Amino acid sequence: EADIYQTPRYLVIGTGKKITLECSQTMGHDKMYWYQQDPGMELHLIHYSYGVNSTEKGDLSSESTVSRIRTEHFPLTLESARPSHTSQYLCASSDEGWNTEAFFGQGTRLTVV
Amino acid sequence: QKEVEQDPGPLSVPEGAIVSLNCTYSNSAFQYFMWYRQYSRKGPELLMYTYSSGNKEDGRFTAQVDKSSKYISLFIRDSQPSDSATYLCASTSYNTDKLIFGTGTRLQVFP
Repeated sequence: EADIYQTPRYLVIGTGKKITLECSQTMGHDKMYWYQQDPGMELHLIHYSYGVNSTEKGDLSSESTVSRIRTEHFPLTLESARPSHTSQYLCASSDEGWNTEAFFGQGTRLTVV
Repeated sequence: QKEVEQDPGPLSVPEGAIVSLNCTYSNSAFQYFMWYRQYSRKGPELLMYTYSSGNKEDGRFTAQVDKSSKYISLFIRDSQPSDSATYLCASTSYNTDKLIFGTGTRLQVFP
């Protein structure tokens, strides 16, 4: 089983609240990713990082922000949650190289009411 | 046009059936092709991967890539109820450096 953890697993929160989704991995991977997944839709890359102090926006525009202060930690923050942010958020990590396996966390299912 | 296209299903088959899951892709630079399996309320996990064209077999699973037609397939022989999950194809290349996923096909194997 992959050593990548996401908390919380489920979150229901009111509109306008600030939230941080946590992601940690113990594999020493340099590359980390955040994907957004809606039912019946593909995984959309929203943020990625090549290492400490590296963050890039993904293919899908997102109002969230990320930080990478430590190798093992890649939190995602929404400053002001809206119902349109309701989705499943998946964190992943991989070793160096373009053709290495990505290990996924179990996901955070976010509902904004 | 999406870079990786996949029929979302759902696909419902009886136990023991041969299942064929398919994807097409548009980026000629893609060289590395993967199949991930995602159980309900879990993150995806790598099932199989192939590099360039050809077949790869692992137990009941066979992954096939045809680069000339940009077609990716996953075959499951003697399907089991435990195979019920969503199967996502993904591709990447050395100059993409990111995994591009299809929508996933939901498979249900009933006893």
